[in-house]
Amino acid sequence: ETGVTQTPRHLVMGMTNKKSLKCEQHLGHNAMYWYKQSAKKPLELMFVYNFKEQTENNSVPSRFSPECPNSSHLFLHLHTLQPEDSALYLCASSQDQGQGYLHFGNGTRLTVT
Amino acid sequence: QKEVEQNSGPLSVPEGAIASLNCTYSDRGSQSFFWYRQYSGKSPELIMSIYSNGDKEDGRFTAQLNKASQYVSLLIRDSQPSDSATYLCAVRTPTSGTYKYIFGTGTRLKVLA
Repeated sequence: ETGVTQTPRHLVMGMTNKKSLKCEQHLGHNAMYWYKQSAKKPLELMFVYNFKEQTENNSVPSRFSPECPNSSHLFLHLHTLQPEDSALYLCASSQDQGQGYLHFGNGTRLTVT
Repeated sequence: QKEVEQNSGPLSVPEGAIASLNCTYSDRGSQSFFWYRQYSGKSPELIMSIYSNGDKEDGRFTAQLNKASQYVSLLIRDSQPSDSATYLCAVRTPTSGTYKYIFGTGTRLKVLA
């Protein structure tokens, strides 16, 4: 496989559930990102990892918890979410945080009921 | 707050015409500029990147950058119905010893057959 792969593509979860989103990149990049995309809003940066170190937490609520075990894998752990957290969650990677451009995965469409 | 501004549209152009998409950014320190295309229900994909003042052409696409005016544009010549999508402007800007990619809300383009 090439590029950036996200699973699952769609997720429906209740407010009391715990779930995880997974992202894997096969591009040899060193930076990985989580973005949230809601209707009529710009892409919102959530977290950045550069060489496995978290370099950005954009004031994201603690019900979202990222994990980056290595430069190729990124997870977003979800618990006790709210309906307003329903959105498209996009993973991206770049050569590193200061170089290259963002390569996006296909996204996970999350619905919180 | 560092921002990237775009007209949300929709911008409607007839097939074969030139589509002109505009973007302004607030941070004079921004160094790299990107245009992404996003089809409905899909993830953003890179169309063009530009790093220095002037024009950069790639096929039917031309990106224009004017750092003094803090203005980036994308021209699409000979517009096709398949160009109908949302076009996202993004800037990479230095912040707190690292870099951030900041996106505009996007301009929806409709090319009429």
